[in-house]
Amino acid sequence: EAGVAQSPRYKIIEKRQSVAFWCNPISGHATLYWYQQILGQGPKLLIQFQNNGVVDDSQLPKDRFSAERLKGVDSTLKIQPAKLEDSAVYLCASSRAMQGAVAEAFFGQGTRLTVV
Amino acid sequence: DAKTTQPPSMDCAEGRAANLPCNHSTISGNEYVYWYRQIHSQGPQYIIHGLKNNETNEMASLIITEDRKSSTLILPHATLRDTAVYYCIVRANFGNEKLTFGTGTRLTIIP
Repeated sequence: EAGVAQSPRYKIIEKRQSVAFWCNPISGHATLYWYQQILGQGPKLLIQFQNNGVVDDSQLPKDRFSAERLKGVDSTLKIQPAKLEDSAVYLCASSRAMQGAVAEAFFGQGTRLTVV
Repeated sequence: DAKTTQPPSMDCAEGRAANLPCNHSTISGNEYVYWYRQIHSQGPQYIIHGLKNNETNEMASLIITEDRKSSTLILPHATLRDTAVYYCIVRANFGNEKLTFGTGTRLTIIP
């Protein structure tokens, strides 16, 4: 089966500009995650969707970050305006929805954002 | 916050077994132990998970102590392609509980 697709792979922007990332999860996966990974650290969850509803966005900096998942499939993550500290790899992951059991998450290759 | 403790780095000779330890002394009864790895410039990849019994798949074996406070991931015959950061994660067993990553163990396989 096809994996999680993300685009672009790389993006360089100036601070205060805006940027958007796109994610297409594995077909049939109801849960979608966006993670931020700063160099040298483990991934940090930004937001989790179940279908098109938000399950957890407690660590999303809502003054500048936004995410949506229209129709419960593809998702976009936006940063506006970007700061230098937003330089990181943004990872999208998806998993099947399961009742009473855990489901492994599959990750895309990520988008590497550099803010200059 | 991550609920696991792992050594920051380890080396292993190619062809030997790589044993990666993880401490999770505050694990609760409904939490599984998950292992993921992240090869350079790629997203994390699922390896294996378990609750209390030892588990084995085509990639690795997972040994969980009887008190469940620690575990060991075993790569039986390490190759250069196993060089990666390995993350040990505890995760509750109700659907779609999030994965909380720590800083992991950077495993280097030496030729």
